[in-house]
Amino acid sequence: EIVLTQSPGTLSLSPGERATLSCRASQSVRTTSLAWYQQKPGQAPRLLIYGASYRATGIPDRFSGSGSGTDFTLTVSRLEPEDFAVYYCQQYGSSPLTFGGGTKVEIK
Amino acid sequence: QVQLQQWGAGLLKPSETLSLTCSVSGGSFTNYYWAWIRQSPGKGLEWIGDISHSGITNYNPSLVGRVTMSVDTSQKKFSLKVTSVTAADTAVYYCARSWSSSYYSDYWGQGTMVTVSS
Repeated sequence: EIVLTQSPGTLSLSPGERATLSCRASQSVRTTSLAWYQQKPGQAPRLLIYGASYRATGIPDRFSGSGSGTDFTLTVSRLEPEDFAVYYCQQYGSSPLTFGGGTKVEIK
Repeated sequence: QVQLQQWGAGLLKPSETLSLTCSVSGGSFTNYYWAWIRQSPGKGLEWIGDISHSGITNYNPSLVGRVTMSVDTSQKKFSLKVTSVTAADTAVYYCARSWSSSYYSDYWGQGTMVTVSS
């Protein structure tokens, strides 16, 4: 199965700053089949990005995804207070689909 | 508005069977696959498997042999059973909607904490 490694583990930033999160796959992810989710305490994950770069319905345009092959990035252009959360990547190009270990974006 | 509401027993003893059900409202049931995903502190997020409205299943190989999913299209419900549970099955279990088998999920249930303890 494909192993996804997310970095950094924790990102300490201030509101208004730019967040750049990385997701690296142990082998090439087929057809850019990569998604990003946001999770807040006590809540289910929320889909942000699919197909590596397509925003899900209702997701603000400050969230963007990029990458292909084994290297993917989620960028939050300007952090809003509600963006402080844990972010997970997921590959769905190969079964079983797998998730990364997460990056926590915390308030500095 | 699509909503997934899930329920099931939250406390089990080792060797018992975990049983959860998820009900779907506010959208089509037949056009999607229906997934179960769990989250534990030790293993993070883990895809358990999914099922189509017609009963076609796809399970994570790590759980094959212990997992059974079923669906009731008339009631817009789907269910998960995991047999012979151990402490390693302790997790928050989520039901979710996917556009295809082994695919990303765009709607999730609220989660059910399942604890396995003697």
